[in-house]
Amino acid sequence: IQMTQSPSSLSASVGDRVTITCRASQSISSFLNWYQHKPGNAPKLLIYTASTLQSGVPSRFSGSGSGTDFTLTISSLQPEDFATYYCQETYNTPAETTFGQGTKLEI
Amino acid sequence: QVQLQESGPGLVKPSQTLSLTCTVSGGSVSSGGYYWSYIRQHPGKGLEWMGYIYYSGRTYYNPSLKSRATISIDTSKNQCSLKLTSVTAADTAVYYCARGGTMIGDGFDMWGQGTFVIVSS
Repeated sequence: IQMTQSPSSLSASVGDRVTITCRASQSISSFLNWYQHKPGNAPKLLIYTASTLQSGVPSRFSGSGSGTDFTLTISSLQPEDFATYYCQETYNTPAETTFGQGTKLEI
Repeated sequence: QVQLQESGPGLVKPSQTLSLTCTVSGGSVSSGGYYWSYIRQHPGKGLEWMGYIYYSGRTYYNPSLKSRATISIDTSKNQCSLKLTSVTAADTAVYYCARGGTMIGDGFDMWGQGTFVIVSS
């Protein structure tokens, strides 16, 4: 399964509403996760099964979609949100899993 | 709080074997419900899943690694390990270990900080 994110990079300002999309090469139902990755840090799971917020993740993050098209939305960007975001399909877990190529969110 | 810590050489020569260990603290690699995985990130690139191991020893690997990768588990030491044979410069990357749930849809909820491995003579 191939995962394609868009855009590859995005410039935004604090307070902006931002949407990142992820498209799967085949239907993956709702088996899609989102991660936030900051340089020098471990990636952080934000959302699993397309729309469920991981414990401790701020409510400004939300996810939606099913089938092949998914979105991650940040409702009001905060300074700590500038990072790279990855989607991950888990349709065939545990046999195989694939990440998108990432979306770098810059100030 | 479960913590994962990768360790191993930061420099490996081409054609040799890269060996990394992930030590788990605050939890047990033998606890059901989790897979232990290695994921890498090439410089300037995205995340690449390499493989999983369950405490029973069952493994799954990314086919792109062409059988070069072996992941093992040592429940007595609470560790999992990665061996990657016949390395080339293309294997230069930050290597992460991560905990993934066994239920379909589960993500990687715990990660190590990562260790950067350079393949060079």
